[in-house]
Amino acid sequence: GQNIDQPTEMTATEGAIVQINCTYQTSGFNGLFWYQQHAGEAPTFLSYNVLDGLEEKGRFSSFLSRSKGYSYLLLKELQMKDSASYLCAVIGSNYQLIWGAGTKLIIKP
Amino acid sequence: TAGITQAPTSQILAAGRSMTLRCTQDMRHNAMYWYRQDLGLGLRLIHYSNTAGTTGKGEVPDGYSVSRANTDDFPLTLASAVPSQTSVYFCASSDSDSGRRFFGPGTRLTVL
Repeated sequence: GQNIDQPTEMTATEGAIVQINCTYQTSGFNGLFWYQQHAGEAPTFLSYNVLDGLEEKGRFSSFLSRSKGYSYLLLKELQMKDSASYLCAVIGSNYQLIWGAGTKLIIKP
Repeated sequence: TAGITQAPTSQILAAGRSMTLRCTQDMRHNAMYWYRQDLGLGLRLIHYSNTAGTTGKGEVPDGYSVSRANTDDFPLTLASAVPSQTSVYFCASSDSDSGRRFFGPGTRLTVL
């Protein structure tokens, strides 16, 4: 079967760094997305990885290792507004997205 | 640019009643999708359309139907609602199979 695993919840302190992991087992791989979703709102795009390595975009970075079926989202200099759920999604062999259940990130002052 | 709009924002529906959730995009994207999001579960694909005039079933299509008469609109119909269809429904679009999905604001549906 196809599966994406993320931690259910994480807590971090304002100003710190946090890494949210995502492991996947899918039939085929055509890319991986990270989305941010604030409570009661729609998911919004953060990053896309299709090749191995690190993609940096401001305070957010995303890493992919296709051989390990593994990705992480790194958030630096955490701000209170980063409190949200972070969704990992993989494009499988049929080009449909397979979504993880999301990681709820709680930022404490 | 509005992006994707959905209507209604929220709805309470009696079991057995029918309802259509509306979705319109102004980005001229070929592909459109309907997802439901339930607590503790990832977004689950209900139906999709790769281009106007074609539709396909996702992983949870039972009890739902869609149509794609033109590029912009992709309505989702519940023919006879059941309480298990209580959920938040998101419409999304993308310009390609591997393209990122742009999401509408969602419709919160409660079936009693």
